[in-house]
Amino acid sequence: EVQLVESGGGLVKPGGSLRLSCVASGFTFSTFSMHWVRQAPGKGLEWISSISSTSSHIYHSESVRGRFTISRDNAKNSVYLQMNSLRVEDTAVYYCARRNVLAPVGIRFDFYDLWGQGTLVTVSS
Amino acid sequence: SSQLTQDPAVSVALGQTVRITCQGDSLRSYFASWYQQKPGQAPILVIYGKNSRPSGIPDRFSGSASGNTASLTITGAQAEDEADYYCDSRDSSGHTWVFGGGTKLTVL
Repeated sequence: EVQLVESGGGLVKPGGSLRLSCVASGFTFSTFSMHWVRQAPGKGLEWISSISSTSSHIYHSESVRGRFTISRDNAKNSVYLQMNSLRVEDTAVYYCARRNVLAPVGIRFDFYDLWGQGTLVTVSS
Repeated sequence: SSQLTQDPAVSVALGQTVRITCQGDSLRSYFASWYQQKPGQAPILVIYGKNSRPSGIPDRFSGSASGNTASLTITGAQAEDEADYYCDSRDSSGHTWVFGGGTKLTVL
């Protein structure tokens, strides 16, 4: 079955750290870029991190840059999000998502075609 | 950084047609994709590229784009279409991504 399964969420105090994992199955993980997207309670979706298939290109949103680090291990079909210096405003459901890219002649577009079920991170004292 | 703007809420009568829009400068350079999210669930892709639907998405969902605006149209809305809808695209820099704020669709 093609799927993504996140883990590692939980309750952490402000200033603490947490490492999220996302394990992929059912597809050739090493050929896809992977992203982390979060959703605060009652709020919209927010892109936070991306990593290319070979880890050569890594980007983070301004809201997490310098505190969060995305990484992947293609041998383990896994992508990770190391979250340091956590803040109350980082409380959210964190989704990993596969970014697919299609490039028909003269056109290129990308989109999330596979999402995990999400893992809840709560930052509170 | 670029932003994508969506109307917070839209309503449609059962069986009627509704258009949800997404505006942003980055849409002049990049295609938007559209996601449906129901309460307590992960988002699912409903439209990508010029106007493509993943398998399993009903053909009442369609997409279009003009200038800095992308649109998701539901022709003959059903009760099960009631959900939050998000657009997303690359930021104008091409190296980051951005979501619209989301549109809550109510089917009356």
